[in-house]
Amino acid sequence: NAGVTQTPKFQVLKTGQSMTLQCAQDMNHEYMSWYRQDPGMGLRLIHYSVGAGITDQGEVPNGYNVSRSTTEDFPLRLLSAAPSQTSVYFCASSYSGGNTQYFGPGTRLTVL
Amino acid sequence: DQQVKQNSPSLSVQEGRISILNCDYTNSMFDYFLWYKKYPAEGPTFLISISSIKDKNEDGRFTVFLNKSAKHLSLHIVPSQPGDSAVYFCAASNEKLTFGTGTRLTIIP
Repeated sequence: NAGVTQTPKFQVLKTGQSMTLQCAQDMNHEYMSWYRQDPGMGLRLIHYSVGAGITDQGEVPNGYNVSRSTTEDFPLRLLSAAPSQTSVYFCASSYSGGNTQYFGPGTRLTVL
Repeated sequence: DQQVKQNSPSLSVQEGRISILNCDYTNSMFDYFLWYKKYPAEGPTFLISISSIKDKNEDGRFTVFLNKSAKHLSLHIVPSQPGDSAVYFCAASNEKLTFGTGTRLTIIP
């Protein structure tokens, strides 16, 4: 079991560029989520999905899009990158939203 | 509005002594509480959890205590070891997880 995998590990973007952060899990978890971690802010929920075809907004969704076409994959899209989106992004999965979530290794994104 | 608070950004403890990390919450609808540990450049890893119907859960060196009337939980690590040096996040669950801001624990050899 690879668990939760994320690519890329590091990325540098220029303001206005778009990109997709990839996330995949092989544990057959229905629930997947994206968080960002910023200094002094903890982990904040961006978007989440309770199953294929179903997504919803978290605490800080602006500037991000998600889709869930399969149980395994949950990509996060930055439509037009801004310096405020410089952060470390974590994907997580679990059997349900309230259960123990398993995290990927993270993607460190810098927007110049 | 921070529903889950960790008021101590950092804590230093001598090796072998007890480490106590604290967490307060405001939402009485939370029904499950978790602690995660995070090393630099890695994702958070699950450490221990407790249901709201219990007041204590123990797993080896780690014990979590829940005081529902005070809306307070704590993580005790005994004895503390150098490998315990990490950032610890508490989280509370009500269909989704809400995380605190983290406490950086440093174990001094």
